[in-house]
Amino acid sequence: DAGVIQSPRHEVTEMGQEVTLRCKPISGHNSLFWYRQTMMRGLELLIYFNNNVPIDDSGMPEDRFSAKMPNASFSTLKIQPSEPRDSAVYFCASSLKGAVTEAFFGQGTRLTVV
Amino acid sequence: AQSVTQLGSHVSVSEGALVLLRCNYSSSVPPYLFWYVQYPNQGLQLLLKYTTGATLVKGINGFEAEFKKSETSFHLTKPSAHMSDAAEYFCAVSEEGRGAQKLVFGQGTRLTINP
Repeated sequence: DAGVIQSPRHEVTEMGQEVTLRCKPISGHNSLFWYRQTMMRGLELLIYFNNNVPIDDSGMPEDRFSAKMPNASFSTLKIQPSEPRDSAVYFCASSLKGAVTEAFFGQGTRLTVV
Repeated sequence: AQSVTQLGSHVSVSEGALVLLRCNYSSSVPPYLFWYVQYPNQGLQLLLKYTTGATLVKGINGFEAEFKKSETSFHLTKPSAHMSDAAEYFCAVSEEGRGAQKLVFGQGTRLTINP
């Protein structure tokens, strides 16, 4: 398996623009997580899905952030409108619910909002 | 809610010296504990995990960690540091959410290896 695939790897956008980050989880995994990493706040869990259903979005910072998982093999995290303080590395991770398993992380998307 | 505290945001050791990265957790139920490593511009990679059973857990790259319930600790060690160990290390505790398990991470410890 290719692992968790995120795109793009890098994104530079202007303040006010819409940004969409994409994630393909590992085939067969049924839990998907979006994390944000910054120097100030470390790794924050934004939202997670189980069987494509959002379970807990309490980490989503504002209404400008939204996430979807239309099927088991694809998820998006959208920021509209983007702001400079959204600049961070966004990670997607997937795991297999049930047994205690680790989460497998993608390479991340480095977002810069100017 | 469960939480993790990593003591020391930066640790520096000489090549060949002992590596000790500290992690304490808070949990109201028996925890599942993890150590992840992050190399520059990479995602997180699992080093080792504790679920049940033996309290001394061995992982990849010569790392090991010991679960001490009485101290609520899960410190990571390696007897002899190598230059390639320079990275950021994250301790995490598993928290049971509705229908899924999620990881709660510590703030991370950046390990520097001096030649």
